[in-house]
Amino acid sequence: EDKVVQSPLSLVVHEGDTVTLNCSYEVTNFRSLLWYKQEKKAPTFLFMLTSSGIEKKSGRLSSILDKKELFSILNITATQTGDSAIYLCAVEAGNTPLVFGKGTRLSVIA
Amino acid sequence: ETGVTQTPRHLVMGMTNKKSLKCEQHLGHNAMYWYKQSAKKPLELMFVYNFKEQTENNSVPSRFSPECPNSSHLFLHLHTLQPEDSALYLCASSQVVGGRPQHFGDGTRLSIL
Repeated sequence: EDKVVQSPLSLVVHEGDTVTLNCSYEVTNFRSLLWYKQEKKAPTFLFMLTSSGIEKKSGRLSSILDKKELFSILNITATQTGDSAIYLCAVEAGNTPLVFGKGTRLSVIA
Repeated sequence: ETGVTQTPRHLVMGMTNKKSLKCEQHLGHNAMYWYKQSAKKPLELMFVYNFKEQTENNSVPSRFSPECPNSSHLFLHLHTLQPEDSALYLCASSQVVGGRPQHFGDGTRLSIL
């Protein structure tokens, strides 16, 4: 059975801190790994990763995939209160729809 | 605005009521999905429709009945629900089944009394 595990499940940091969120997976016929940010509403797409070692970057957020060790990390530097959200990791495998992890709830306090 | 619109945003119903959730996408996508999001659980896929045909039913109880009249509209008919069905129900769409990334609606927060 395909599985996606995120850690930690929750995290509280102060503004300005750097955080690293983890996502490991066990799937058959891996195709891609995606990160989403979910505030109070719809999850919104952040990154899609398909190749190992290539960093994707968007402002203060960056992510990288390790297909040998079967994990990805999402880094957020100089965190702001607006970064508070649930960060979801999902893996696409074979022809099946996305398999999601439980998410990491990040709280950034001033 | 994600291009996927869900109504209502909130719904409170008794266990014997019948109600429907609606999802509409304006993205020209061919695949639509229903997900259930409960506290402390991963997003659970419920149903997948591809070109109006149901391609996946993820062992969902029959008290949830989906309907997809066309590629732009998706309904979830609810009947005789249980308290554990209280959750956020998210609709999503993609160009094709398994296509990425999926675009999500804002969800319907369902509370069963």
